This record gives sequence, structure tokens and C-alpha cells, in this order.
Amino acid sequence: GAGVSQTPSNKVTEKGKYVELRCDPISGHTALYWYRQSLGQGPEFLIYFQGTGAADDSGLPNDRFFAVRPEGSVSTLKIQRTERGDSAVYLCASSPTRGASDEQFFGPGTRLTVL
Amino acid sequence: GENVEQHPSTLSVQEGDSAVIKCTYSDSASNYFPWYKQELGKRPQLIIDIRSNVGEKKDQRIAVTLNKTAKHFSLHITETQPEDSAVYFCAASQGSYIPTFGRGTSLIVHP
Repeated sequence: GAGVSQTPSNKVTEKGKYVELRCDPISGHTALYWYRQSLGQGPEFLIYFQGTGAADDSGLPNDRFFAVRPEGSVSTLKIQRTERGDSAVYLCASSPTRGASDEQFFGPGTRLTVL
Repeated sequence: GENVEQHPSTLSVQEGDSAVIKCTYSDSASNYFPWYKQELGKRPQLIIDIRSNVGEKKDQRIAVTLNKTAKHFSLHITETQPEDSAVYFCAASQGSYIPTFGRGTSLIVHP
């Protein structure tokens, strides 16, 4: 079956612009996670959804970052007034059951470059 | 919060040798420890995981050991092959909490 997909695969934008990154989880997965991965680092947690609601957004670095999952499936990560330091690979993962102690299936990521 | 340290950052071995990657964690409540493999430009994929009620788990050439008292766990790869070359990440989590990842180990297997 289809895995987690993310679009776009690459996004180049200018400092100060607004971007949206999309994640399509595996069908039926209730849990969805967003991570940010900088070069040479492990995935850094941003936000976790259980169904439609954000169960934990403690990893969002500041109020320029926001994410939604209105129908409990597709999620969009939104970044306002982008800064060069936002450049990274943004990974999405989904999990079939409630709770984070289950396998997470990662998407291929969106490489964001802020010029 | 949880803190996961991973060593070494780079590991270079000859084909056929064994490779060992070690992680330590800080939160004694953590009870789930997955390992992910990430090939260059690709997504992380789970290769093995262990829960706190067991001390060792094996799957063909890979194994993971867990020492809860010392709060460390290790990945062991035997008979390494060039296709094992990748970045490996450990992680730790507890219950429904978010996993904390290590910084990764770049494994290079020379043919």
C-alpha cells in the first residue's frame, strides 16, 4: 500500500515569505507527527496530532510555526515570515495507534531552503 | 525532558566485521527504544525496536540490547555489508510521549 507522502519534495523560498508543507499519512493512521531534521542531526519533534487535534505542540519553536489536520488525515505545516534558520528537512510520520510507543512510518521529507 | 546521547558519530568498518552503536538515555520512565536506518536522501525506516520488559532482541544480523539499570541500549550489526552503510538513529520514549532521537551514527562499510 501507499506510504506516507509529502509535498513538495523541495521548496526554495525567500526570507520573510510564507510556506505550506503537506503531509498525507497512511490511510487509517490516527497519529501524525511533524519533525525537523537539520544536517547531521536526528529528527527534532515539532508537533503531534491524535486525530484532528494537536495533542502536543511543545516542539514548535515559535509562533511563526503552525500546523493543522482538519479532517484527521492530511496535515499542513505552515511557516510564516520564514527565516534562514528555518532551512531544514521537514519530516512527517504517522502511526496506526494511539500512543508514541509504536512504529512511526516516515515520509520522504520536504527540503526547505530559505534564501 | 528526555535526553538521548548516541556514540560514535561516525563508524567505519570493513565488510564482514561487526558494528556496535551505543545510546544512553536520561529518563528512567522511558520504555520504548526504536532504531531507525536512514540512507542518504531517504526517509528513516524502523529496523528494530525493544521494549523495557526485555533485555535483548535479535533479527537476523541485527540485535539490540537494553540495560535499564545503566540506562543504555546498543545496536549490534554482524557480518556487515556495504548496503548497511547509512545513518542510524536511536530513540527513546515512554508511553504516549514523543520519542527523543539521538544525533545519529554514520556507518560506512568498506567492501
